[in-house]
Amino acid sequence: KAGVTQTPRYLIKTRGQQVTLSCSPISGHRSVSWYQQTPGQGLQFLFEYFSETQRNKGNFPGRFSGRQFSNSRSEMNVSTLELGDSALYLCASATGGEYNEQFFGPGTRLTVL
Amino acid sequence: AQRVTQPEKLLSVFKGAPVELKCNYSYSGSPELFWYVQYSRQRLQLLLRHISRESIKGFTADLNKGETSFHLKKPFAQEEDSAMYYCALSGSGANSKLTFGKGITLSVRP
Repeated sequence: KAGVTQTPRYLIKTRGQQVTLSCSPISGHRSVSWYQQTPGQGLQFLFEYFSETQRNKGNFPGRFSGRQFSNSRSEMNVSTLELGDSALYLCASATGGEYNEQFFGPGTRLTVL
Repeated sequence: AQRVTQPEKLLSVFKGAPVELKCNYSYSGSPELFWYVQYSRQRLQLLLRHISRESIKGFTADLNKGETSFHLKKPFAQEEDSAMYYCALSGSGANSKLTFGKGITLSVRP
């Protein structure tokens, strides 16, 4: 099985811009979760989508949003970028059952200048 | 609220020494606990989970509900164990998200 893929791998944006990140889960996985990883805060949960519906949400401002398509692919959008949004954004897919293992993608490195 | 605490940021040991990576959690209910590992230049991957009760690459972890701990142990460290280790917790249903600790860097010296 192909693993979780994320595009693009690297992004450089300036403050005030918006950005869209994409995640393709493992075939058959219906759950996609997004995480922000920074040196100071570590791995923080953004949100989870399951069958095109947001199932869980972390404590991030409304500038962070996401969606999931019928093929389980997911996108994450960040509007009005701030310097503090610079981070590695990880996507993870899972079957969606209880306590199920999450498989992580390589991440998208976002740098906001 | 779900919370995972990894009290140490770095553990450096010599090859062959025992390793214990500490993890404490806070959750009102029955959580599932995980250890994830990230080797250099590789993606984050599951090392082991409580529910499967397996030993992976010589690592074991026991859930102690009384002390709310899930420490990761290995009796004899190998150089290839050098990596970043994250403890994580998942609740059930609406709390199924993964909450991670800050992680600990394990460095095994030859």
